[in-house]
Parts: sequence; structure tokens; C-alpha cells
Amino acid sequence: AQKITQTQPGMFVQEKEAVTLDCTYDTSDPSYGLFWYKQPSSGEMIFLIYQGSYDQQNATEGRYSLNFQKARKSANLVISASQLGDSAMYFCAMRGVFSGGYNKLIFGAGTRLAVHP
Amino acid sequence: NAGVTQTPKFQVLKTGQSMTLQCAQDMNHNSMYWYRQDPGMGLRLIYYSASEGTTDKGEVPNGYNVSRLNKREFSLRLESAAPSQTSVYFCASRSGGGSGNTIYFGEGSWLTVV
Repeated sequence: AQKITQTQPGMFVQEKEAVTLDCTYDTSDPSYGLFWYKQPSSGEMIFLIYQGSYDQQNATEGRYSLNFQKARKSANLVISASQLGDSAMYFCAMRGVFSGGYNKLIFGAGTRLAVHP
Repeated sequence: NAGVTQTPKFQVLKTGQSMTLQCAQDMNHNSMYWYRQDPGMGLRLIYYSASEGTTDKGEVPNGYNVSRLNKREFSLRLESAAPSQTSVYFCASRSGGGSGNTIYFGEGSWLTVV
């Protein structure tokens, strides 16, 4: 069965510092995708970054990068130079491509990030 | 630039009442999803539809039914609402094929069952 685990219920970071949000996953699918979403207090889900299981390089999108360690089944989100507007809930998610996992996007419980000035 | 549109945004139901949450996307996506998010928790998949005419159960399908009316629309129905179904409901869509493709979410529907 597929499973996403985010072990940090809450994180604090000082403005302009970097922060890493942890995500580990479990799947038997040979091909899968990993996503990170941001959910501010307004509630909408905002796509941040995507990593494919066969991608050779770690994904980056502006201040966001994904530290993908396939052997350890981890896909941590790194936010560089934190801003006050980064305060939000962050969700890691996984989607399988084949067999029973196809088209199913499974989410972790989330990590609430608070950025302090 | 509508993307994924959900209605209603807020609804209060009495136990035992029925209602349908509507979702439409204008991006010609094949796959559509319904999730629920309970306070302090991540999203759990209720049902999904890989393409027009097909639907499949997700993690928490009990108490819900869905209809993929056409490629644009994917509705979620609560036949007899229960307080345990108080939650925020998100509809999402994704274009098919490959292991990538961003998933687009609607703004959410806040449902309270009293």
C-alpha cells in the first residue's frame, strides 16, 4: 500500500533562513511522482514542486528545492531564504502511475510552518 | 482563467439530509478527484475518476457517491449526511498521461453537518 509520512507537525524558522520539511514515502509501484503543496490560512492548495521517480536531478522551483533520496524513500522540501508569506501548512503527496496506484494521489498529514521576523 | 470551480463554498446540513457538491474544470483534464480534509489533517481521497465514464473508490468512500457527468464535471453526493462528514471538501483535476502533470485544486467547500 502507498503511504506518505510527515513526522513534523510544526516547524519554526527565522525569516531569511532556510528550512527543511521532511517527507518519507512507501510504495511498491515502479514509477511514481512526488509533490509538495502549500495551503495558506485561506485554504486553497497551491502546487509548489514535483519530482518524478526516474528524474536524475533534484527538482527546483525558485526558492523551493526537493531533496530526493530514492534509496531512503525520502522527498524533503527545502525552502531557502524564508519569507513571512511562507507561513502555511505544507503537504507532501505521492502519485503512482501503474497498477493499483494509478491516478491516486495520497497525501501526508502536513507540516505547519511558521516564519518569524 | 477559472481552473477548477466548486459549488457551494459553504453549506450547513442537518443530519440525514442529502446534498450534491458540484465540480467543474475548464482545462480539458481527464482525471478528476474528490478529497476531504479534516481539521489539522491531510487530504484523504474519497473518489476519483480517471476519465469520463469511469469512477473508482479512494481511501474513504463510505457515505458518498459520485458521478462523472462529462469530461468537465464531477459531482459528489451525500445521500444521508452525518456529523462525521463535517469537513472541507476539495475537488481536483489533472491531465492524463505520464508521471508528472500538476494537479489543480478548487478552493474548497466547507460543509457542516449538525
